[in-house]
Amino acid sequence: AQKVTQAQTEISVVEKEDVTLDCVYETRDTTYYLFWYKQPPSGELVFLIRRNSFDEQNEISGRYSWNFQKSTSSFNFTITASQVVDSAVYFCALSGYYTGANSKLTFGKGITLSVRP
Amino acid sequence: KAGVTQTPRYLIKTRGQQVTLSCSPISGHRSVSWYQQTPGQGLQFLFEYFSETQRNKGNFPGRFSGRQFSNSRSEMNVSTLELGDSALYLCASSTRPAGRNSPLHFGNGTRLTVT
Repeated sequence: AQKVTQAQTEISVVEKEDVTLDCVYETRDTTYYLFWYKQPPSGELVFLIRRNSFDEQNEISGRYSWNFQKSTSSFNFTITASQVVDSAVYFCALSGYYTGANSKLTFGKGITLSVRP
Repeated sequence: KAGVTQTPRYLIKTRGQQVTLSCSPISGHRSVSWYQQTPGQGLQFLFEYFSETQRNKGNFPGRFSGRQFSNSRSEMNVSTLELGDSALYLCASSTRPAGRNSPLHFGNGTRLTVT
């Protein structure tokens, strides 16, 4: 069975602080995808990044960066110089690489990030 | 390009009633997935359709059903509503079946309240 654990439930930071959101996953699949989604108050899940298990290179996109470490089954997300607009719930998710029973997204419980001005 | 459209945005129903939710995927997307989001259970997979065929199903009772039409639009139906069915129901679309290098794009959801 697949499992995603986001141990942090709520994080509050002051604007311009850096913040790291942790994600630990479990899967028996040797190939899989990892994702981060953002859910603002409007409810829509906004896709942020997808990473396949073949590629452990870290990725940076503007103020966002992701650290994938297969050895520790972690896929952490860092926001640099946080802004009030970053306030949202962030979900880490896992899916199988191929179509089939594991191709659905398994989500973590989410982390509520509040960025104060 | 228009995003995933879900209607209605809000619904209030009474226990025992049934409800139908609608989802129009992004143009060109043929795969539609449904997820239920509740405070207690989080986001849980309901089912996935591709080219009018159900390809995957989550662990929900038979009261939850869905279908997909030839234009890729999808509906999900919940019969004999229970209080625990109160949730945000999210629809997502992708170009190919889930797991085929095709990320999901989500709609704003339908918030169902059962009283």
